[in-house]
Amino acid sequence: AQRVTQPEKLLSVFKGAPVELKCNYSYSGSPELFWYVQYSRQRLQLLLRHISRESIKGFTADLNKGETSFHLKKPFAQEEDSAMYYCALRVYNFNKFYFGSGTKLNVKP
Amino acid sequence: SQTIHQWPATLVQPVGSPLSLECTVEGTSNPNLYWYRQAAGRGLQLLFYSVGIGQISSEVPQNLSASRPQDRQFILSSKKLLLSDSGFYLCAYRGSYNSPLHFGNGTRLTVT
Repeated sequence: AQRVTQPEKLLSVFKGAPVELKCNYSYSGSPELFWYVQYSRQRLQLLLRHISRESIKGFTADLNKGETSFHLKKPFAQEEDSAMYYCALRVYNFNKFYFGSGTKLNVKP
Repeated sequence: SQTIHQWPATLVQPVGSPLSLECTVEGTSNPNLYWYRQAAGRGLQLLFYSVGIGQISSEVPQNLSASRPQDRQFILSSKKLLLSDSGFYLCAYRGSYNSPLHFGNGTRLTVT
């Protein structure tokens, strides 16, 4: 079975502090991982994907197959980063995307 | 450019009434289409996905059904709504094999 776990429902940090949103997955095959973000009153949108290996809005995420993790990190959080973040797993050779339960990031001034 | 439209934005329906939510995609052919339900604290639950006209895969048994009458149209339906069907429903598409999912704005359904 495939599963995505985001252990934190809410994460509060102060502006300028580092932030790490955790994501662990379980999948026996070769995974593709994504981070999606939903800002207030906006649609869910792609933030980044592991195969791109890029930094978006200062966020990075590294796929660690040994730990089956894909944690999202940013060295200095900004207030505009406050949003709901979802980790997602795409199962190769299938057309399914599974999402975690989400983490609400609150960046305080 | 590719776009996705989902309507209505909000819907209030009595228990036992039928449901029809519609989703259309523009700017791409033969997309993969998805219906998700988003519940607070439970994330996004995959309900249905479709890889082509008339091809529907259901992820979980439920009171809902999906249909794809045209290449870029995906419909979520119910013959008789239950209170437990209340929630936020999201349609999404994937334009090509290596594309990520792109989501619509969602429909807030309240069953009273």
